[in-house]
Amino acid sequence: EAEVAQSPRYKITEKSQAVAFWCDPISGHATLYWYRQILGQGPELLVQFQDESVVDDSQLPKDRFSAERLKGVDSTLKIQPAELGDSAMYLCASSHRTSDVTDTQYFGPGTRLTVL
Amino acid sequence: AQTVTQSQPEMSVQEAETVTLSCTYDTSESDYYLFWYKQPPSRQMILVIRQEAYKQQNATENRFSVNFQKAAKSFSLKISDSQLGDAAMYFCAYTTGTASKLTFGTGTRLQVTL
Repeated sequence: EAEVAQSPRYKITEKSQAVAFWCDPISGHATLYWYRQILGQGPELLVQFQDESVVDDSQLPKDRFSAERLKGVDSTLKIQPAELGDSAMYLCASSHRTSDVTDTQYFGPGTRLTVL
Repeated sequence: AQTVTQSQPEMSVQEAETVTLSCTYDTSESDYYLFWYKQPPSRQMILVIRQEAYKQQNATENRFSVNFQKAAKSFSLKISDSQLGDAAMYFCAYTTGTASKLTFGTGTRLQVTL
């Protein structure tokens, strides 16, 4: 069964350093989402892509976060510089298309980031 | 603000028994969809069940069913014949007709005991 891949699974970094997370969605899925899940809370959307275009990045802290999906397939989320408050689980999800909002989102295993 | 509230941080159920997880939501949209996701420890989140708001009939998926009360904006999940593998965090979420992003609640941790 096809799955969303993410790497690394765990990342420990010091504040002010740069970190990057990678996501490979299920083949053929046009829509890709990055969510941030702080411990004890539900995931919150950071950025949504339709193919290579950003559809929603209203909650992305653009002074330090950036995201790209250059060829409309895999995606990278970067944080520079990392802050203590960025410690969280970063989840990637993908779905087949946006024309049907009931289309199931499939989640990857996440990257757990710890900022020291 | 559009929100999802899960008032039960933790629940416990004995194996083979039935448990109900509560969820209320608040949206001004008329076209929306509701979901329950399961997040097992150290594993990815998976969809358990979903409900279209325009459908009056409650959704069911094997041992999982929902009680959708549209007027009360309530969407509870019932798990019948609970199994050890049901132990996980359960998140209630919704998406509207104008955006496909999911808005999640804070989750309910379900423990299943022997």
